[in-house]
Amino acid sequence: DSGVTQTPKHLITATGQRVTLRCSPRSGDLSVYWYQQSLDQGLQFLIQYYNGEERAKGNILERFSAQQFPDLHSELNLSSLELGDSALYFCASSVGSGGAKNQYFGPGTRLLVL
Amino acid sequence: ILNVEQSPQSLHVQEGDSTNFTCSFPSSNFYALHWYRWETAKSPEALFVMTLNGDEKKKGRISATLNTKEGYSYLYIKGSQPEDSATYLCASPLYGNKLVFGAGTILRVKS
Repeated sequence: DSGVTQTPKHLITATGQRVTLRCSPRSGDLSVYWYQQSLDQGLQFLIQYYNGEERAKGNILERFSAQQFPDLHSELNLSSLELGDSALYFCASSVGSGGAKNQYFGPGTRLLVL
Repeated sequence: ILNVEQSPQSLHVQEGDSTNFTCSFPSSNFYALHWYRWETAKSPEALFVMTLNGDEKKKGRISATLNTKEGYSYLYIKGSQPEDSATYLCASPLYGNKLVFGAGTILRVKS
């Protein structure tokens, strides 16, 4: 158990809908990262927040947005969902914001868009 | 386009065999190299982070080396056990803080 929690574990929804994925980092970790794992692709970095502020952005679609709240939990909002958004979404956390810190991954949210 | 490459794509070994796999990354502007272990139906688990050329890290039967000048890292598993079966991922922060992952090496250890 990494100490990172994600809810929900599974989500099934329809095209065009909007969903929110939630992540609580390990106690004491200020950075939260979001990743997408599709069937045909490896882990893709989406976005990073550090202590409430956006720190780095990857190939995140405009239909997706994220935020980190004062209690450091984070939410990833996915809107106008398409079939291709079906994937495993991981959240990870680390103590600092630099690229040399271990990232601790949550159990993931499996999203299926029908 | 900067990328992280891993080889081989998959590996099948017998229990007790020692094995190793490779991660290649851009050597220019190197910052760090991460190794993760990802078991089926679980989430990636951090093994090592290495930052210095010549770094060697060890955790039980698993060890890793780093060559930042030529842009590669090796992960070694001594005396493989069935519980070592997993996908081993390496990653490096390219383009600033963005961790870029390789496609992984799938290891299957037969008893």
